[in-house]
Amino acid sequence: GDSVTQMEGPVTLSEEAFLTINCTYTATGYPSLFWYVQYPGEGLQLLLKATKADDKGSNKGFEATYRKETTSFHLEKGSVQVSDSAVYFCALSDSGGSYIPTFGRGTSLIVHP
Amino acid sequence: DAGVTQSPTHLIKTRGQQVTLRCSPKSGHDTVSWYQQALGQGPQFIFQYYEEEERQRGNFPDRFSGHQFPNYSSELNVNALLLGDSALYLCASSHPDRGSNTQYFGPGTRLTVL
Repeated sequence: GDSVTQMEGPVTLSEEAFLTINCTYTATGYPSLFWYVQYPGEGLQLLLKATKADDKGSNKGFEATYRKETTSFHLEKGSVQVSDSAVYFCALSDSGGSYIPTFGRGTSLIVHP
Repeated sequence: DAGVTQSPTHLIKTRGQQVTLRCSPKSGHDTVSWYQQALGQGPQFIFQYYEEEERQRGNFPDRFSGHQFPNYSSELNVNALLLGDSALYLCASSHPDRGSNTQYFGPGTRLTVL
């Protein structure tokens, strides 16, 4: 079945550092890929998405590129802020019509001043 | 434009009791999905409702049931609560018929079973 693998956390960075959170997936067909963010005590918010190979999703300085050849969708940000501290979830949704996302286990990001 | 809303925010129950959680979807959305998120884990799909019927179901026992109303709002019911049911329960809405498979999540209901 479909699955998503994320790098283990927590990822601890200083403010203004470069961020990469790795995500790889296994799926049949051509899934859509998502990054969701969950701030402490809150639900999930859609951060960005990409629906086909080579698409780049971007939002709030975060970017991720859909790489079909490496089945990856790594999240990057050039300069993180303390307010970016949260848990980040990579997810995929198959293109067969069910639209039920499969989530990774999440990666906690802690940014220090 | 109101987003997805859920109630209550927090709930404490004891083993064996029953609980009902409520969700109102984002305006214009007709499909509601429910997820269970255990501490330190990603959300796990429970079921999805569309046109007042359960359309898909994840790997959850029959103790978990739901309902969707004509206004698209939804309820999640859990019977015979177990300690392991303690989790954040998330509701998400979408409108797949519009060609978008993006789900929008509510803030969740934190259920604690003692």
